[in-house]
Amino acid sequence: EDQVTQSPEALRLQEGESSSLNCSYTVSGLRGLFWYRQDPGKGPEFLFTLYSAGEEKEKERLKATLTKKESFLHITAPKPEDSATYLCAGHAGGTSYGKLTFGQGTILTVHP
Amino acid sequence: NAGVMQNPRHLVRRRGQEARLRCSPMKGHSHVYWYRQLPEEGLKFMVYLQKENIIDESGMPKERFSAEFPKEGPSILRIQQVVRGDSAAYFCASSPEQGAGNTGELFFGEGSRLTVL
Repeated sequence: EDQVTQSPEALRLQEGESSSLNCSYTVSGLRGLFWYRQDPGKGPEFLFTLYSAGEEKEKERLKATLTKKESFLHITAPKPEDSATYLCAGHAGGTSYGKLTFGQGTILTVHP
Repeated sequence: NAGVMQNPRHLVRRRGQEARLRCSPMKGHSHVYWYRQLPEEGLKFMVYLQKENIIDESGMPKERFSAEFPKEGPSILRIQQVVRGDSAAYFCASSPEQGAGNTGELFFGEGSRLTVL
């Protein structure tokens, strides 16, 4: 069974304190690894798609990387507005790239 | 450019009643997905639909749950004879046609929160 595990469950940072979130996956024939951000009471918002080991993508203070077993979301000099739940998801291919296996998320809180 | 629209945002039902959740995809999107987020759990895939067709319903509970995406109008997720365990946030997502150049991005609505008393 496909599984995605995220750690830590929660992370509290001071503004400017860089850190990384981890996503370990066992997704048979992984076709894509996705990162989403979810704010309280809202739907997930797309951040990145990674397709192959060694790939990296960046957006503002966020950088996502992928190895054969895990992905990292690096947050550099975070700000309070980066506080959210970060979700990792894997796609195993098949008939639809919209069928994703999500992890439980990491709740990030950035204090000013 | 309206995003994915879900309604109602909040729904309260008593045990045994029916719940109907509606989802209008983004303009130009022909693929709709329903996900469920139970308290303290991650998002779980339920069903994937295209216009008038169910493509993958491997995540749908075998009983009481059904989904449709008619030729005209929104996609509907229907839960009959609701039980307390159905209380959750139900998210709809849409995407354009699959193909080269797509990031695989799903566009999510803000969810419908069902509470069963």
